[in-house]
Amino acid sequence: KAGVTQTPRYLIKTRGQQVTLSCSPISGHRSVSWYQQTPGQGLQFLFEYFSETQRNKGNFPGRFSGRQFSNSRSEMNVSTLELGDSALYLCASSPGDGIAKNIQYFGAGTRLSVL
Amino acid sequence: GNSVTQMEGPVTLSEEAFLTINCTYTATGYPSLFWYVQYPGEGLQLLLKATKADDKGSNKGFEATYRKETTSFHLEKGSVQVSDSAVYFCALSDRQQTSYDKVIFGPGTSLSVIP
Repeated sequence: KAGVTQTPRYLIKTRGQQVTLSCSPISGHRSVSWYQQTPGQGLQFLFEYFSETQRNKGNFPGRFSGRQFSNSRSEMNVSTLELGDSALYLCASSPGDGIAKNIQYFGAGTRLSVL
Repeated sequence: GNSVTQMEGPVTLSEEAFLTINCTYTATGYPSLFWYVQYPGEGLQLLLKATKADDKGSNKGFEATYRKETTSFHLEKGSVQVSDSAVYFCALSDRQQTSYDKVIFGPGTSLSVIP
């Protein structure tokens, strides 16, 4: 079974631009969560989608948005990039329901650098 | 709300030393508890889990016991190896079946094992 795939692995943008990150979950998983990881703030939860609906959201500004498609693939968008958005963005998929609903499987992440 | 506290590193140990990484949690319900590990340049991966009080999770020589009376889930390993160098995250998720509570991660503990 293929793991969680995130693309691209590395991204360099300049302030004010926008960016879209992609995540393909493990086949059969309906939940996708996004996290921002930085040395100073650690791992911070952005949002979680289940069956195309956002069912949990962290404390990030509205510049951060996401969506999930009918095949469970998810995208995350950040508009008007700021220097502080430089981070490793991690995607995690999970079954979303059933006994193992909360076991998360992570991708390798997208490293975003904002110049 | 639910939260996870864990000892902050970095922790540096010699090979074959005994490892303990403390983790305590606050939760309103009956959470499931997890330890995830992140190796350099990779995403997080599940190391072990426990779903109810007194359960012991174990994997790759690591163990952790779910202690409800002390709200703790400390990670231990009897003899660490250089390959165990990584960041370790304690996490919880609420086990309520009728609603979903996002997985909450601790700040992570960096472990370096020297030969």
